Amino acid sequence: ETGVTQTPRHLVMGMTNKKSLKCEQHLGHNAMYWYKQSAKKPLELMFVYSLEERVENNSVPSRFSPECPNSSHLFLHLHTLQPEDSALYLCASSQDPGGYEQYFGPGTRLTVT
Amino acid sequence: GQQVMQIPQYQHVQEGEDFTTYCNSSTTLSNIQWYKQRPGGHPVFLIQLVKSGEVKKQKRLTFQFGEAKKNSSLHITATQTTDVGTYFCALTTSGTYKYIFGTGTRLKVLA
Repeated sequence: ETGVTQTPRHLVMGMTNKKSLKCEQHLGHNAMYWYKQSAKKPLELMFVYSLEERVENNSVPSRFSPECPNSSHLFLHLHTLQPEDSALYLCASSQDPGGYEQYFGPGTRLTVT
Repeated sequence: GQQVMQIPQYQHVQEGEDFTTYCNSSTTLSNIQWYKQRPGGHPVFLIQLVKSGEVKKQKRLTFQFGEAKKNSSLHITATQTTDVGTYFCALTTSGTYKYIFGTGTRLKVLA
């Protein structure tokens, strides 16, 4: 499946680094999402964008900064992360926000050292 | 906040046996979705239920939405090794764009 792509697939960064995760959807959807998946925890919704406007911010620390320049692209800018931020970060899209099937990308496996 | 309980957490079955996972919410839901995540993979949408008491089938998979729209179940008949993975329910409530995922049920099928 290539409907939603994410880069990089793996990332190792130190706590003082700044990096960005990229997501692109080729489905013509209006909504995009960032999720965090940690071991032994449910999938956690981080941000929701609808037509480039952020419509949900799920109490995420400010060291995570999303950006949605257009309806096909979504970024997650990372800075001064903590080791507990190590997780699989998944991007998803849906036709519209709320109540529509979501298509997930393959994820970025992030390790913070 | 809204809570989603999904049971069991793990299930090991012999190939050919049936499997059921349950999703329970503390509040009335607008709809519920089910996803499957293979080991090392990403969640893949299976189905969405909207109506009270709704039952939908996909080959060996049967999905049900409770009458009160607070719970749902996924039943697999005669499991196969290709059914291995983690099954998640995801729910939304009216007036928000939030999807809340259950903790998932990890299914292992022994050949």
